[in-house]
Amino acid sequence: GAVVSQHPSWVICKSGTSVKIECRSLDFQATTMFWYRQFPKQSLMLMATSNEGSKATYEQGVEKDKFLINHASLTLSTLTVTSAHPEDSSFYICSARGGRAYGYTFGSGTRLTVV
Amino acid sequence: AQTVTQSQPEMSVQEAETVTLSCTYDTSESDYYLFWYKQPPSRQMILVIRQEAYKQQNATENRFSVNFQKAAKSFSLKISDSQLGDAAMYFCAYKLWGAQKLVFGQGTRLTINP
Repeated sequence: GAVVSQHPSWVICKSGTSVKIECRSLDFQATTMFWYRQFPKQSLMLMATSNEGSKATYEQGVEKDKFLINHASLTLSTLTVTSAHPEDSSFYICSARGGRAYGYTFGSGTRLTVV
Repeated sequence: AQTVTQSQPEMSVQEAETVTLSCTYDTSESDYYLFWYKQPPSRQMILVIRQEAYKQQNATENRFSVNFQKAAKSFSLKISDSQLGDAAMYFCAYKLWGAQKLVFGQGTRLTINP
């Protein structure tokens, strides 16, 4: 079946530094990638949608200069949290769509802690 | 804008019993998809079942089945013969036909009591 690999699974960084999260589709071409943020015991909040080779479309209220999304190939998308602060600490999940019209495959998530 | 509502923040059921999780949604469209996703403690999102709105027949996947009431905009999930491994957060989701993104409900935390 479709597999999406997300790394790292957890990361701790110092306030003010940047951290990159990678999401790779291993056995299919991901024409569209989605990045979510999930707070404890809450639902997934869509941050942005990216199509391969195009600029990401950010949801209202998401700072595009802070959360940089790159989708340069059909198998790789990255989310870079720039100048991270403690309030950016959260669980980030990617999802890839490709092939079947209704197929969404999720990564295993990244727990980011900013200290 | 489409919205998805899960009115049960938490549910619990005895092992081997049946439980139903509720989901309602708001849309003015007629062509869409509905999904139930499971998020266990590992936090990996897993597709449980999906339903195409144009299909009148309720989807079924082994012990999981849905009750899709299009006119009432209701999409409940029934889990039969509950197992300890069913313990998880369950999210109902909606996708408009032709659109890209999923709209998630708030989630229901399901506990299975041995």
